Amino acid sequence: NAGVTQTPKFQVLKTGQSMTLQCAQDMNHEYMSWYRQDPGMGLRLIHYSVGAGITDQGEVPNGYNVSRSTTEDFPLRLLSAAPSQTSVYFCASSYGGLSTQYFGPGTRLTVL
Amino acid sequence: ILNVEQSPQSLHVQEGDSTNFTCSFPSSNFYALHWYRWETAKSPEALFVMTLNGDEKKKGRISATLNTKEGYSYLYIKGSQPEDSATYLCAAANAGNNRKLIWGLGTSLAVNP
Repeated sequence: NAGVTQTPKFQVLKTGQSMTLQCAQDMNHEYMSWYRQDPGMGLRLIHYSVGAGITDQGEVPNGYNVSRSTTEDFPLRLLSAAPSQTSVYFCASSYGGLSTQYFGPGTRLTVL
Repeated sequence: ILNVEQSPQSLHVQEGDSTNFTCSFPSSNFYALHWYRWETAKSPEALFVMTLNGDEKKKGRISATLNTKEGYSYLYIKGSQPEDSATYLCAAANAGNNRKLIWGLGTSLAVNP
């Protein structure tokens, strides 16, 4: 099993650009989530999904969209990148929202 | 709002020392407590998930205890090794309709050879 994969690993954007961070898992997990990790702050939940076709907002959803058309994939879209979105983004999956979380390798995003 | 606090923020020990750190959370309406190990330039990896008061879990030299009545969990590392150097995260969830994991800021452990 590949586990949770994320692409790209690094990305530099200019303010106003849009892009999609990809996340995929091959463990047949129903629950998937996106976090951002900033210095001095804990992992903060952006969006999550409890199954295909169902998504919901987390703690810091503004500026991000998600969709879950399949069990395996959970892309995160930045609509119009801002410097405040410079961060490390982690995708995670699990059997349930409160079960052991399996994390992807992360995407380091810089917005200039 | 669930607030999860970890102490100390950072810790430096010598190889062979035993050490422990604390995760504090509100005791009311408790559901689950997670511990993760996060090495630099990698992603967090699960160590333990605990749900019952008095739970004790062990993996090699690392163990954890849970006290849901007073709202804390301890993580112990016996005979620290340089490869134990990492940030140790805890996350807690409370019961209710809006159950989500809330993460602490972590304890950064450096083990000097």
